[in-house]
Amino acid sequence: TQLLEQSPQFLSIQEGENLTVYCNSSSVFSSLQWYRQEPGEGPVLLVTVVTGGEVKKLKRLTFQFGDARKDSSLHITAAQPGDTGLYLCAGARGNFNKFYFGSGTKLNVKP
Amino acid sequence: NAGVTQTPKFQVLKTGQSMTLQCAQDMNHEYMSWYRQDPGMGLRLIHYSVGAGITDQGEVPNGYNVSRSTTEDFPLRLLSAAPSQTSVYFCASRRRLAGGGVGRTDTQYFGPGTRLTVL
Repeated sequence: TQLLEQSPQFLSIQEGENLTVYCNSSSVFSSLQWYRQEPGEGPVLLVTVVTGGEVKKLKRLTFQFGDARKDSSLHITAAQPGDTGLYLCAGARGNFNKFYFGSGTKLNVKP
Repeated sequence: NAGVTQTPKFQVLKTGQSMTLQCAQDMNHEYMSWYRQDPGMGLRLIHYSVGAGITDQGEVPNGYNVSRSTTEDFPLRLLSAAPSQTSVYFCASRRRLAGGGVGRTDTQYFGPGTRLTVL
């Protein structure tokens, strides 16, 4: 069983639509990161959130860490075809030496 | 500055063969790690190292060995490959703050991956 559950697993939307991806756990994390991965490449870090309730914005992407530091969400406004990719959340526990990844959300934005 | 490099990019092995996946970074990062990525499973941590001479196990260490003799290199060894080890392997690195702690906002950089098939 995965420590972090992501939903949905797959998402196919039209350009211009909004979407939210969820990352949930029953465990508390010291920090949580979101990555984007393109086919044939390694994940690339988008953001790190460390404080319960924290909200970070990266252009059209909004990231939120739950108050209890057990969950997180990624909201994309007005999605574009360039947003297509696999989105992964990863949580660190304890001394930050181990990161636990969710299974990922595969996003396809159609023009 | 090449970042994190991995070789080979693709490899096919027969059951029982051994091989070493190479990983190198030129950012002087103390922390390095190996993950495997399987469909529907995200990335799972195999082994990690917080500095030369120091390694520890991750979530799925069985069947894999590591050593860290230099800051730059962190090879992953499969002593006797099994079909269950068919996967994409990623190496990653990040810096380690003075005093032993790892910064909660440190960026973890991933290599391009090695796609391994064990027949």
